Amino acid sequence: DAGVIQSPRHEVTEMGQEVTLRCKPISGHDYLFWYRQTMMRGLELLIYFNNNVPIDDSGMPEDRFSAKMPNASFSTLKIQPSEPRDSAVYFCASRQGTEAFFGQGTRLTVV
Amino acid sequence: KQEVTQIPAALSVPEGENLVLNCSFTDSAIYNLQWFRQDPGKGLTSLLLIQSSQREQTSGRLNASLDKSSGRSTLYIAASQPGDSATYLCAVSLTSGTYKYIFGTGTRLKVLA
Repeated sequence: DAGVIQSPRHEVTEMGQEVTLRCKPISGHDYLFWYRQTMMRGLELLIYFNNNVPIDDSGMPEDRFSAKMPNASFSTLKIQPSEPRDSAVYFCASRQGTEAFFGQGTRLTVV
Repeated sequence: KQEVTQIPAALSVPEGENLVLNCSFTDSAIYNLQWFRQDPGKGLTSLLLIQSSQREQTSGRLNASLDKSSGRSTLYIAASQPGDSATYLCAVSLTSGTYKYIFGTGTRLKVLA
Protein backbone atom coordinates (compact mmCIF):
# COMPACT_ATOMS: atom_id res chain seq x y z
CA ASP A 1 0.00 0.00 0.00
CA ALA A 2 1.25 3.51 -0.79
CA GLY A 3 0.23 4.82 2.59
CA VAL A 4 -2.00 7.80 3.25
CA ILE A 5 -1.95 10.09 0.24
CA GLN A 6 -2.65 13.80 0.49
CA SER A 7 -2.95 16.37 -2.25
CA PRO A 8 -1.83 18.93 -3.00
CA ARG A 9 1.48 18.94 -1.10
CA HIS A 10 1.63 22.71 -1.22
CA GLU A 11 -1.11 25.28 -1.74
CA VAL A 12 -0.80 29.04 -1.92
CA THR A 13 -4.02 30.98 -2.17
CA GLU A 14 -5.32 34.46 -1.67
CA MET A 15 -7.42 35.45 1.27
CA GLY A 16 -11.10 34.88 0.60
CA GLN A 17 -10.61 32.01 -1.82
CA GLU A 18 -11.93 28.51 -1.30
CA VAL A 19 -9.39 25.82 -0.54
CA THR A 20 -9.95 22.07 -0.78
CA LEU A 21 -7.51 19.57 0.66
CA ARG A 22 -7.75 15.91 -0.29
CA CYS A 23 -6.90 12.64 1.42
CA LYS A 24 -6.87 9.01 0.39
CA PRO A 25 -6.59 6.75 3.43
CA ILE A 26 -4.99 3.35 3.54
CA SER A 27 -7.33 0.73 2.11
CA GLY A 28 -9.26 -1.08 4.81
CA HIS A 29 -8.73 1.55 7.50
CA ASP A 30 -11.99 2.52 9.15
CA TYR A 31 -10.90 5.71 10.94
CA LEU A 32 -9.79 8.92 9.28
CA PHE A 33 -8.47 11.99 11.07
CA TRP A 34 -7.72 15.55 9.97
CA TYR A 35 -5.08 17.46 11.96
CA ARG A 36 -3.62 20.94 11.69
CA GLN A 37 -0.05 21.77 12.72
CA THR A 38 1.26 25.24 13.51
CA MET A 39 4.29 26.48 15.38
CA MET A 40 2.15 28.14 17.99
CA ARG A 41 -0.38 25.38 18.71
CA GLY A 42 1.34 22.19 17.61
CA LEU A 43 -0.82 19.38 16.24
CA GLU A 44 -4.54 19.84 16.73
CA LEU A 45 -7.26 17.38 15.85
CA LEU A 46 -9.89 18.99 13.67
CA ILE A 47 -12.31 16.16 12.93
CA TYR A 48 -12.40 12.40 12.64
CA PHE A 49 -14.56 9.88 10.83
CA ASN A 50 -15.44 6.26 11.51
CA ASN A 51 -16.72 4.25 8.57
CA ASN A 52 -17.19 7.49 6.61
CA VAL A 53 -19.36 9.05 9.34
CA PRO A 54 -18.14 12.19 11.18
CA ILE A 55 -17.80 11.32 14.86
CA ASP A 56 -16.26 14.36 16.46
CA ASP A 57 -15.84 17.75 14.81
CA SER A 58 -15.33 19.71 17.99
CA GLY A 59 -11.87 20.74 16.83
CA MET A 60 -13.06 22.47 13.68
CA PRO A 61 -12.20 26.09 14.40
CA GLU A 62 -15.01 27.86 12.60
CA ASP A 63 -17.91 27.39 10.26
CA ARG A 64 -15.55 28.25 7.43
CA PHE A 65 -14.14 24.74 7.82
CA SER A 66 -15.99 21.68 6.59
CA ALA A 67 -15.01 18.07 5.97
CA LYS A 68 -16.60 15.24 4.07
CA MET A 69 -15.95 11.57 3.50
CA PRO A 70 -18.20 10.44 0.65
CA ASN A 71 -16.68 6.96 0.59
CA ALA A 72 -14.09 4.81 2.32
CA SER A 73 -11.27 5.88 0.01
CA PHE A 74 -11.61 9.66 -0.09
CA SER A 75 -12.00 12.63 2.21
CA THR A 76 -11.87 16.41 1.75
CA LEU A 77 -11.26 19.33 4.06
CA LYS A 78 -12.61 22.59 2.73
CA ILE A 79 -11.98 26.13 3.92
CA GLN A 80 -14.28 28.81 2.57
CA PRO A 81 -13.40 31.65 2.71
CA SER A 82 -9.74 31.20 3.61
CA GLU A 83 -7.88 33.63 5.87
CA PRO A 84 -4.15 34.19 6.52
CA ARG A 85 -4.47 32.63 9.99
CA ASP A 86 -5.46 29.36 8.35
CA SER A 87 -1.88 29.01 7.10
CA ALA A 88 -0.57 25.73 8.51
CA VAL A 89 0.30 22.17 7.58
CA TYR A 90 -2.78 19.97 7.40
CA PHE A 91 -2.34 16.26 8.00
CA CYS A 92 -4.64 13.39 7.28
CA ALA A 93 -4.24 10.12 9.14
CA SER A 94 -5.97 6.76 8.93
CA ARG A 95 -6.20 3.93 11.35
CA GLN A 96 -7.50 0.43 11.79
CA GLY A 97 -7.08 -1.04 15.20
CA THR A 98 -4.62 0.78 17.39
CA GLU A 99 -1.97 2.38 15.18
CA ALA A 100 -2.34 5.59 13.19
CA PHE A 101 -0.57 6.30 9.89
CA PHE A 102 -0.08 9.85 8.68
CA GLY A 103 0.14 11.38 5.24
CA GLN A 104 2.89 13.77 4.20
CA GLY A 105 0.68 16.77 4.82
CA THR A 106 -0.47 19.76 2.80
CA ARG A 107 1.31 23.03 3.49
CA LEU A 108 -1.28 25.80 3.09
CA THR A 109 -0.28 29.42 2.77
CA VAL A 110 -3.00 32.05 2.61
CA VAL A 111 -1.74 35.47 1.53
CA LYS B 1 -9.34 17.95 29.56
CA GLN B 2 -6.36 15.81 28.58
CA GLU B 3 -3.11 17.73 28.20
CA VAL B 4 0.15 16.24 26.98
CA THR B 5 3.50 17.85 27.69
CA GLN B 6 6.96 16.93 26.51
CA ILE B 7 10.21 17.86 28.16
CA PRO B 8 12.69 19.02 27.06
CA ALA B 9 11.45 21.10 24.15
CA ALA B 10 14.83 20.85 22.48
CA LEU B 11 17.89 18.72 23.02
CA SER B 12 21.33 18.67 21.46
CA VAL B 13 23.68 15.77 22.19
CA PRO B 14 26.93 14.36 20.77
CA GLU B 15 26.75 11.19 18.73
CA GLY B 16 26.82 7.98 20.74
CA GLU B 17 24.99 9.25 23.80
CA ASN B 18 22.05 7.45 25.31
CA LEU B 19 19.14 9.82 25.85
CA VAL B 20 15.68 9.99 27.34
CA LEU B 21 12.73 11.98 26.10
CA ASN B 22 9.83 12.57 28.45
CA CYS B 23 6.10 12.75 27.91
CA SER B 24 3.51 13.47 30.60
CA PHE B 25 -0.27 13.46 30.42
CA THR B 26 -2.84 14.74 32.87
CA ASP B 27 -5.56 12.07 32.58
CA SER B 28 -4.45 8.47 33.13
CA ALA B 29 -7.55 7.06 31.37
CA ILE B 30 -5.82 6.48 28.06
CA TYR B 31 -6.33 3.76 25.47
CA ASN B 32 -2.76 3.75 24.22
CA LEU B 33 0.25 5.99 23.71
CA GLN B 34 2.19 6.34 20.50
CA TRP B 35 5.59 7.87 19.80
CA PHE B 36 6.16 9.51 16.43
CA ARG B 37 9.09 10.97 14.61
CA GLN B 38 8.74 14.01 12.35
CA ASP B 39 11.49 15.14 10.00
CA PRO B 40 11.46 18.76 8.81
CA GLY B 41 8.79 19.32 6.16
CA LYS B 42 7.63 15.72 6.41
CA GLY B 43 4.76 13.78 7.88
CA LEU B 44 4.77 11.73 11.04
CA THR B 45 6.30 8.27 11.22
CA SER B 46 5.13 5.90 13.92
CA LEU B 47 7.94 4.59 16.10
CA LEU B 48 6.36 2.68 18.96
CA LEU B 49 2.86 2.01 20.21
CA ILE B 50 2.17 1.06 23.81
CA GLN B 51 -1.22 -0.26 24.82
CA SER B 52 -2.59 0.92 28.15
CA SER B 53 -2.09 -2.58 29.58
CA GLN B 54 1.59 -2.68 28.61
CA ARG B 55 4.60 -1.27 30.44
CA GLU B 56 7.06 -0.96 27.57
CA GLN B 57 7.80 -1.59 23.92
CA THR B 58 11.12 -1.98 22.14
CA SER B 59 12.21 -1.56 18.56
CA GLY B 60 15.89 -1.66 17.76
CA ARG B 61 17.65 1.13 19.66
CA LEU B 62 14.34 2.55 20.87
CA ASN B 63 12.54 1.65 24.06
CA ALA B 64 9.35 3.29 25.25
CA SER B 65 7.90 2.86 28.71
CA LEU B 66 4.49 3.74 30.09
CA ASP B 67 3.44 4.45 33.66
CA LYS B 68 -0.27 5.25 33.53
CA SER B 69 -0.65 5.87 37.23
CA SER B 70 1.87 8.67 37.19
CA GLY B 71 0.84 9.90 33.75
CA ARG B 72 4.28 9.48 32.21
CA SER B 73 6.01 7.87 29.28
CA THR B 74 9.66 7.92 28.30
CA LEU B 75 11.37 7.23 25.00
CA TYR B 76 14.89 5.91 25.41
CA ILE B 77 17.25 6.14 22.46
CA ALA B 78 20.44 4.14 22.76
CA ALA B 79 23.69 5.06 21.05
CA SER B 80 22.25 8.10 19.30
CA GLN B 81 23.23 8.84 15.69
CA PRO B 82 23.02 11.99 13.54
CA GLY B 83 20.21 10.28 11.60
CA ASP B 84 18.11 10.35 14.76
CA SER B 85 17.89 14.13 14.50
CA ALA B 86 14.20 15.00 14.21
CA THR B 87 11.23 16.11 16.29
CA TYR B 88 9.75 13.42 18.49
CA LEU B 89 6.08 13.58 19.39
CA CYS B 90 4.08 11.53 21.80
CA ALA B 91 0.33 11.16 21.46
CA VAL B 92 -2.28 9.62 23.71
CA SER B 93 -5.40 7.98 22.42
CA LEU B 94 -8.35 8.46 24.68
CA THR B 95 -10.63 5.76 26.00
CA SER B 96 -14.40 5.52 25.86
CA GLY B 97 -14.37 4.84 22.15
CA THR B 98 -13.26 8.26 21.01
CA TYR B 99 -10.08 6.99 19.36
CA LYS B 100 -8.72 10.47 18.87
CA TYR B 101 -5.11 11.38 19.56
CA ILE B 102 -3.98 14.27 21.71
CA PHE B 103 -0.44 15.27 20.80
CA GLY B 104 2.34 16.56 22.96
CA THR B 105 4.33 19.65 22.21
CA GLY B 106 7.29 17.70 20.83
CA THR B 107 11.02 17.46 21.54
CA ARG B 108 13.35 18.70 18.85
CA LEU B 109 16.46 16.50 18.91
CA LYS B 110 19.78 17.24 17.27
CA VAL B 111 22.54 14.64 17.38
CA LEU B 112 25.93 16.10 16.56
CA ALA B 113 28.48 14.10 14.59
